[in-house]
Amino acid sequence: EVRLLESGGILVQPGGSLRLSCVASGFNFTTSGVSWVRQAPGKGLEWVSGMNSRGDGTKYADSVKGRFTMSRDISKNTLYLEMQSLRAEDTAVYYCAKVCRNNWNYGLSYWGQGTLVTVSS
Amino acid sequence: DTQMTQSPSSVSASVGDRVIITCRATQDIANWLAWYQQKPGKAPKFLIYATSNLQSGVPSRFSGGGSGTDFTLTISSLQPEDSGTYYCQQTNSLPFTFGPGTKVDIK
Repeated sequence: EVRLLESGGILVQPGGSLRLSCVASGFNFTTSGVSWVRQAPGKGLEWVSGMNSRGDGTKYADSVKGRFTMSRDISKNTLYLEMQSLRAEDTAVYYCAKVCRNNWNYGLSYWGQGTLVTVSS
Repeated sequence: DTQMTQSPSSVSASVGDRVIITCRATQDIANWLAWYQQKPGKAPKFLIYATSNLQSGVPSRFSGGGSGTDFTLTISSLQPEDSGTYYCQQTNSLPFTFGPGTKVDIK
């Protein structure tokens, strides 16, 4: 059974940094692309970043480009999202999700429960 | 970037009703559209990929259609457990943008 479990969300001050983690089970990152998607309180979904199964192709939304970095540790089957220069508008629940059948055109078939990041002074 | 719109923004319907949600893209996305259902406080649930393909385990009362820029999600006979917010997502080009959501309530 595929499962994703995010952690690391906390209250952080504007300008601060944070690293989110996502531990996967039931599949291997080398066989599936993965994404981070966020949802601000009471708002809709926003695609943040994605990494392919080879780990050599990572893409970002313009809103986070240059501030967020996605990486993975295959030995731990863990995905990371390094977040820097955080702004109030980065406040959101952050979800990691698995690409359906390793095909980006199909969408995101499994999601974690999310972790809340609050950026506030 | 491809922008997505959805209509209506909310709908209230009775059990057994047919509900249709429309999703529109600002440019041609072929058939690369996915649908998700989200309940309050929960992660989105994957329903449909490539416009009309049901994810395993999704009830057959859900169906999707369309192509190019105009798409639909149809719930043929609304059930109490179908309440929630439905999002479309274009998966044709980065960034993979979502629609603003359609909230479905049961009368």
